Amino acid sequence: DADVTQTPRNRITKTGKRIMLECSQTKGHDRMYWYRQDPGLGLRLIYYSFDVKDINKGEISDGYSVSRQAQAKFSLSLESAIPNQTALYFCATSAHRDTNTGELFFGEGSRLTVL
Amino acid sequence: AQSVTQLDSQVPVFEEAPVELRCNYSSSVSVYLFWYVQYPNQGLQLLLKYLSGSTLVESINGFEAEFNKSQTSFHLRKPSVHISDTAEYFCAVSALGTYKYIFGTGTRLKVLA
Repeated sequence: DADVTQTPRNRITKTGKRIMLECSQTKGHDRMYWYRQDPGLGLRLIYYSFDVKDINKGEISDGYSVSRQAQAKFSLSLESAIPNQTALYFCATSAHRDTNTGELFFGEGSRLTVL
Repeated sequence: AQSVTQLDSQVPVFEEAPVELRCNYSSSVSVYLFWYVQYPNQGLQLLLKYLSGSTLVESINGFEAEFNKSQTSFHLRKPSVHISDTAEYFCAVSALGTYKYIFGTGTRLKVLA
């Protein structure tokens, strides 16, 4: 089983619908991140969380919200999806003790299409 | 603030030929540098990283990168590529003492038979 698991892997939805992408990890890491990947734009940070009580906005948080239900779970929600949120979404984790020198561990991605 | 520039969006190369994927960064503070690889339909995985010490870092599968502070570069090289190296490669930078990993726009390496 993967250390960082994302569900669903693929989702097609309509404009205005609420969507939740879920991420769970078995690595025991404190830090969790949500990134968005678009062709030609690389990865951009949406939200990050250093522990259950610490959630922070990234560079492109508008239109998104997150919930850190437990150390191992970090969900990303689109309250009212719009077509320009069509993208590949990645969850990632890193260990606190490594601060920012540590490796990011990525899930396999959730491909979202908003019609 | 930090930024990363990957100058080449796509690099085609024949099998067994050498390759260089370019990465330049800008930062007013000291940084850590990373290369990640993304194989088709997979997430990103760390290829190699520079934190301190020797400016030449190597991966287990033959890639190497050299940190050049004066040119603010961290180019990735491999002397002889394989078909299996076909993937997208991302350069990333992280400033000391911050949470942030800033990624470049990626370079698609296509190895041709």
